[in-house]
Amino acid sequence: EAQVTQNPRYLITVTGKKLTVTCSQNMNHEYMSWYRQDPGLGLRQIYYSMNVEVTDKGDVPEGYKVSRKEKRNFPLILESPSPNQTSLYFCASSVHLSAYEQYFGPGTRLTVT
Amino acid sequence: KQEVTQIPAALSVPEGENLVLNCSFTDSAIYNLQWFRQDPGKGLTSLLLIQSSQREQTSGRLNASLDKSSGRSTLYIAASQPGDSATYLCAVKGEGGSEKLVFGKGTKLTVNP
Repeated sequence: EAQVTQNPRYLITVTGKKLTVTCSQNMNHEYMSWYRQDPGLGLRQIYYSMNVEVTDKGDVPEGYKVSRKEKRNFPLILESPSPNQTSLYFCASSVHLSAYEQYFGPGTRLTVT
Repeated sequence: KQEVTQIPAALSVPEGENLVLNCSFTDSAIYNLQWFRQDPGKGLTSLLLIQSSQREQTSGRLNASLDKSSGRSTLYIAASQPGDSATYLCAVKGEGGSEKLVFGKGTKLTVNP
C-alpha cells in the first residue's frame, strides 16, 4: 500500500530533550516536506526536500533540522525542544516537486512541557 | 506574500444539500491549487488538483473551479452526505522557483443526517 508513515504518532517530552520524528514514504517520491498545524494559524511549512541531500527552509524553520540521506526517509529533528513547538506535525511527499499531488502522513502530536 | 483565505470557517448543512466552499488567494501568480480533506486525528487527503491553465476539475460528486485572475477557487459538493463531514483545506503553489505550498485555514463542514 502506497503510504507516508510517521513515528511516533504521539509524543510528550520536556524542554531541551532532543527528539526525532521519523517520516518514510514507499512511493519513490522525490519531494518531501514537513508542516506544523496550529489552531488559528493553519498549516505552515517547516522544511522541504526536492531530492536526496537537497533541503530548504519553509516558512517556520527556526528550531528544527532535517536531513535527507535516503530518498524514502525525511526525519525532523528538534535539537532543543521548547513549549512553543507543541503542535501537530505532518510529513508529506509528492512524486516530483510540490506541483504534484501531495500525500500526507497521519500526523504526530507533540507536546513539550 | 501569498495569503490564502477560506470562508466560512465552519458550515453546517442538512444531508442531501449541494454546497460550495470558497478559497481566495492574494497573489494570482500561482502554478496550481489543491483541495484537501482532513478528518479529525488524521492526515490530509488530496481531493483535486487544478493547474493554473485549467478552469475546473471533477471527481465524483466533487467539482473544483479556478478563476486565477480573480484569485478565487470553489469546491462544489453535490448531494452532501454525513460522510462528507470534515475540514476542507485549499493550498496554492506559486509560480517560479518556490516549492512552498501556502494553505488556507480550512472550512469545517458538518453534514447532518
